[in-house]
Amino acid sequence: DVKVTQSSRYLVKRTGEKVFLECVQDMDHENMFWYRQDPGLGLRLIYFSYDVKMKEKGDIPEGYSVSREKKERFSLILESASTNQTSMYLCASRQQKGGELFFGEGSRLTVL
Amino acid sequence: SQQGEEDPQALSIQEGENATMNCSYKTSINNLQWYRQNSGRGLVHLILIRSNEREKHSGRLRVTLDTSKKSSSLLITASRAADTASYFCATGISGGGADGLTFGKGTHLIIQP
Repeated sequence: DVKVTQSSRYLVKRTGEKVFLECVQDMDHENMFWYRQDPGLGLRLIYFSYDVKMKEKGDIPEGYSVSREKKERFSLILESASTNQTSMYLCASRQQKGGELFFGEGSRLTVL
Repeated sequence: SQQGEEDPQALSIQEGENATMNCSYKTSINNLQWYRQNSGRGLVHLILIRSNEREKHSGRLRVTLDTSKKSSSLLITASRAADTASYFCATGISGGGADGLTFGKGTHLIIQP
């Protein structure tokens, strides 16, 4: 079975801190994604990556950056966390465009 | 940008009844997918239906797609308490765009024992 692992289920950070959210997948998928999920807003795409060292902005990239140095790992970085970045962050991967997404369990981030 | 919209936003039924959720979308699609999310967890893929298909079954799930109306429905038959979850449709957009997969806001389904 495909496994997508997010490093932290729950994090509490302070405003202005740098935050790293790590995601690792074990099925050699080329495409990886970061979404955030908020009540009433559904899932919104932050960034995605089609391959190693490639990244593309999604719908809401402001305040975030990403890193994909290895195929299996896709990191989401909050350079200076703000309270409006309190959210559930979901990582996903897929084998090919248009295929099904495999999601991690999510990382619930609270910024105080 | 939000493509699919699920309806209703919330649905509560008795165990054993059938649950129907609908999804409407705006632009031409390559495929439409349904996902389930248990509270506080990640999403799990349920079923994918391609734009040239009209109906698809998987166990107690039945999905229909009407591209002329730009809508899809997910039917869960003989519901169980374990079906309590949020259900999302996601559309793969024709032409691809940047990602080609956008999600609706979900239907929250509660199965009363």
